[in-house]
Amino acid sequence: DAKTTQPNSMESNEEEPVHLPCNHSTISGTDYIHWYRQLPSQGPEYVIHGLTSNVNNRMASLAIAEDRKSSTLILHRATLRDAAVYYCILSDRPFGNEKLTFGTGTRLTIIP
Amino acid sequence: DADVTQTPRNRITKTGKRIMLECSQTKGHDRMYWYRQDPGLGLRLIYYSFDVKDINKGEISDGYSVSRQAQAKFSLSLESAIPNQTALYFCATGDGGTEAFFGQGTRLTVV
Repeated sequence: DAKTTQPNSMESNEEEPVHLPCNHSTISGTDYIHWYRQLPSQGPEYVIHGLTSNVNNRMASLAIAEDRKSSTLILHRATLRDAAVYYCILSDRPFGNEKLTFGTGTRLTIIP
Repeated sequence: DADVTQTPRNRITKTGKRIMLECSQTKGHDRMYWYRQDPGLGLRLIYYSFDVKDINKGEISDGYSVSRQAQAKFSLSLESAIPNQTALYFCATGDGGTEAFFGQGTRLTVV
């Protein structure tokens, strides 16, 4: 399975944009990129996913490099509620809820 | 009410005891999963089920068993608990779509 590499931790100021990077240099052409986050004392929750094109939803944006070897999750205006562990996950299926393989993720701290 | 409910939320048990963790979901999904989370190791898949008659081993199934009693219910059992099974356990559901939905977790301590 292709692996992902994320920074262990990041900090950001409240109300500023946050860019969470993910490297996946061994990604295959059919791998989808999924992002989940885990709030304190909660189970993980879906954030966004994409294949080649950049994606936007109400929670975040996903920017995918042209060579697909990296991607960036963008939170446009961080709030205290966005403090969580963010997981970047690859799946060889278009719909990622089958046997998701979680790494250790990036712990995002929001500074008031 | 939560879409995915896990019981109990916290449990302390003794080495060698049998324990069952229960999961129920109101999403109407066919697919259900059990994950284990240890500090610094992320979540790892224990077992998964794509329908009532389907059970599959995940990455770390040794020492665990599961039962899919109904579409909405998926239980995880530790037949003889050991201390290294102390962890946070998550149940999840999915319909083959874009999202998996997770419960709030069961914190299990084996002493």
